[in-house]
Amino acid sequence: AQSVTQLDSHVSVSEGTPVLLRCNYSSSYSPSLFWYVQHPNKGLQLLLKYTSAATLVKGINGFEAEFKKSETSFHLTKPSAHMSDAAEYFCVVSESRFSGGYNKLIFGAGTRLAVHP
Amino acid sequence: SQTIHQWPATLVQPVGSPLSLECTVEGTSNPNLYWYRQAAGRGLQLLFYSVGIGQISSEVPQNLSASRPQDRQFILSSKKLLLSDSGFYLCAWNRATGTEAFFGQGTRLTVV
Repeated sequence: AQSVTQLDSHVSVSEGTPVLLRCNYSSSYSPSLFWYVQHPNKGLQLLLKYTSAATLVKGINGFEAEFKKSETSFHLTKPSAHMSDAAEYFCVVSESRFSGGYNKLIFGAGTRLAVHP
Repeated sequence: SQTIHQWPATLVQPVGSPLSLECTVEGTSNPNLYWYRQAAGRGLQLLFYSVGIGQISSEVPQNLSASRPQDRQFILSSKKLLLSDSGFYLCAWNRATGTEAFFGQGTRLTVV
């Protein structure tokens, strides 16, 4: 079975400093991996996705993530945090079930990012 | 382009009352549809998914039910709400052969 572990429930950074949100996954075969962002009382927005192409994936708002199979990691980074980046971030792995083409998304518990002036 | 609509945005209901949350998708056909619940300070829990009209699968036993009366309509219901049904409910869709899902804006349900 597939699973996702987000290693930090809360991360706090100063504006202008780098952001690192850590994610490890377990999968019995090549997974698809995603990062979503959720602002308070809002839906989830896709930041970026990895689907077995380039291992370094660039997303929206300056975020990127690197797929490392040997470490089973998919950490999210950004060189310079902005106040508007304060939100909750979810790492997600896709589990494919071949019956009917259903793709189940397995969510991590989330990391709340705080950005201080 | 595809869009997903979910309503209402907020809802306060008394214990024992019925519930109906609606979700519709535009701009695509035969999507996979999902209902998730997010409890305060916790991740997302998949409640139901549907790969076609009238086809509903439940991930966890609960007080809720789901229906898909039309291809792009997904409804979450309860006959009698419990306090524990409070939470943030999210509808989502993805393509049958795709992977990433697209989410609605959510419904904040408070059962009092």
